[in-house]
Amino acid sequence: AQSVTQPDIHITVSEGASLELRCNYSYGATPYLFWYVQSPGQGLQLLLKYFSGDTLVQGIKGFEAEFKRSQSSFNLRKPSVHWSDAAEYFCAVGAGGTYKYIFGTGTRLKVLA
Amino acid sequence: DTGVSQDPRHKITKRGQNVTFRCDPISEHNRLYWYRQTLGQGPEFLTYFQNEAQLEKSRLLSDRFSAERPKGSFSTLEIQRTEQGDSAMYLCAVGGTQYFGPGTRLLVL
Repeated sequence: AQSVTQPDIHITVSEGASLELRCNYSYGATPYLFWYVQSPGQGLQLLLKYFSGDTLVQGIKGFEAEFKRSQSSFNLRKPSVHWSDAAEYFCAVGAGGTYKYIFGTGTRLKVLA
Repeated sequence: DTGVSQDPRHKITKRGQNVTFRCDPISEHNRLYWYRQTLGQGPEFLTYFQNEAQLEKSRLLSDRFSAERPKGSFSTLEIQRTEQGDSAMYLCAVGGTQYFGPGTRLLVL
C-alpha cells in the first residue's frame, strides 16, 4: 500500500539557519511527489512538485527538494530560514488512476529569532 | 489566492444535525477532490470527481456522507446526523496538481 512517512513531528531552527525536512514514501510505480505548507487554520499551499526529469526541483519561497529513488526519499531543503517560514509542512504522493494524494502526518517548523 | 473558495469557513453544530459545505473553483477544473484533516494529522482523501461523475470514494466516507458536483463546477459535501468524530477541517482541491481551498472547519458539540 502507498504511504508517506515524515519522521520528524517537530523541528526547531534559528532564523538564518539551514533546514531539511525529511520525507520517505512507499509506492510501487514512479511517484508524483509534492510538498505543501499550511499556516494555522489555513488551507495548503503548494511549494513544489516532482513528476519526472531533474531530481532536484525548485519551488516557491526559496525551497528545493531532491528526489532519491534509491532511498525512496523526497527531502525538502532551504538554505536560510526566515521567521515567516514557521508553519506545518506536508509531503504527499499522488496515487492511483485518480491521482488522489496520500499525505504524511506533517512536520511542524518553529523558527527562533 | 488558490482559485478555490469554500463556504462556510467555520461551522459549529450540535450532534445529530445535518451540515452542508460548498466548494467553488473560480475557473473550470475537471478534477475535484475532498479531503478531511483532523488535528495533528495530514489530510485524508474522501472522494474524487471527474467533471460531474464521482469516480472514487474512500472507506472513510460513511453512509452519512454524500457529495455532489451537479454541473461539473461547484461541489457540495453533506454530513447527515453529525457525530463528534466528524469534527475536522474539510478541504477541497482542484486540478491535476491539486490546489486547495482554505477549508471548512467543523466542530460538532
